[in-house]
Amino acid sequence: EPEVTQTPSHQVTQMGQEVILRCVPISNHLYFYWYRQILGQKVEFLVSFYNNEISEKSEIFDDQFSVERPDGSNFTLKIRSTKLEDSAMYFCASMSGALTEAFFGQGTRLTVV
Amino acid sequence: RKEVEQDPGPFNVPEGATVAFNCTYSNSASQSFFWYRQDCRKEPKLLMSVYSSGNEDGRFTAQLNRASQYISLLIRDSKLSDSATYLCVVNGDDYKLSFGAGTTVTVRA
Repeated sequence: EPEVTQTPSHQVTQMGQEVILRCVPISNHLYFYWYRQILGQKVEFLVSFYNNEISEKSEIFDDQFSVERPDGSNFTLKIRSTKLEDSAMYFCASMSGALTEAFFGQGTRLTVV
Repeated sequence: RKEVEQDPGPFNVPEGATVAFNCTYSNSASQSFFWYRQDCRKEPKLLMSVYSSGNEDGRFTAQLNRASQYISLLIRDSKLSDSATYLCVVNGDDYKLSFGAGTTVTVRA
């Protein structure tokens, strides 16, 4: 069964460093998303990506964040100058159509120390 | 007003019981609706889509009421393995999935 894969599963980084979280969406999917979930809190939308550009982003997704689809298969989230409050689980998701269900990767647990 | 609101629970029920809970959404133009299940520290996984006519999948029944802008999930004959957080997810007219905060269900032996 096709699945969304994310790497790494866990990343520990020092405050102020840059991290890149990687995702391989399901191959025929067209819509890609990043969500985050701070421990014990709800899943929060960060950004959606369609047709090689950002289609929507949340207030959380400020200049510290960027996304890329560098090679037609990978979908990355870059977080610059990480802060303690960036510690969270980051989920990548993909959808085949605009109104279909989303499939989530297993997440990357980011810990900023 | 939050985009998607859920009763947080927790619902603590014995095995075999029926448990039901609702979710309300604010965007009347929302197009599609889902229930996801999330186990502790795991990714959300699709439980079922919710259709206007209501739909059933085994012990799970989902209903959508567009007029009142709420969806519901009912779990019959609950099992220990049903213990999880259930996320109400709404796809608005902006094709962004909005999540409720989740309803925690604990099934006890």
